[in-house]
Amino acid sequence: SQQGEEDPQALSIQEGENATMNCSYKTSINNLQWYRQNSGRGLVHLILIRSNEREKHSGRLRVTLDTSKKSSSLLITASRAADTASYFCATDAYQAGTALIFGKGTTLSVSS
Amino acid sequence: GAVVSQHPSRVICKSGTSVKIECRSLDFQATTMFWYRQFPKQSLMLMATSNEGSKATYEQGVEKDKFLINHASLTLSTLTVTSAHPEDSSFYICSARDWGTSNSPLHFGNGTRLTVT
Repeated sequence: SQQGEEDPQALSIQEGENATMNCSYKTSINNLQWYRQNSGRGLVHLILIRSNEREKHSGRLRVTLDTSKKSSSLLITASRAADTASYFCATDAYQAGTALIFGKGTTLSVSS
Repeated sequence: GAVVSQHPSRVICKSGTSVKIECRSLDFQATTMFWYRQFPKQSLMLMATSNEGSKATYEQGVEKDKFLINHASLTLSTLTVTSAHPEDSSFYICSARDWGTSNSPLHFGNGTRLTVT
């Protein structure tokens, strides 16, 4: 099962520009996480935001969470070619026996 | 270092054979592990929840007789793709939550790329 749509599905920008990705979900959550995946590789955990938080920063990453709209956004500032990857949001109910549920992902391409 | 170890990282097998993928939690016990499948250019889809000492719980549409899951110990879950066919070629990833650590993070293995020829 998947939570919902991520938007956009694909995003192409130039180095130095900002990239914004959005994620919607359907169920109640304890936290929401963002992951990066380079082509053919495993997942890299980027950031976690809890349901009682509205915004969180980590380096060039800024995540927002709106639980009333069941949506989140990931902003990557001053993007670099190395940021080229697929980005997924994942919701966590934080209960025994429940898994992370992933969104469909956004493929980001940053050209130099 | 990796807290969830998944092996093998890549496997190529012939159609009709079976392939076993291992997922081990390192330094923590996992009564529950999760198996995902990812087709090219798609997201991770939860296949099943592996429960130590009991039957796995499969998501709708996942054939339990084709994807055999065994969770015989608190640190090891195995996924066996039986009678593999080319359409089973995919990226399989396991995860486990470390309830014994602050914030109880979920850890992911590095995945197994299965190619069925």
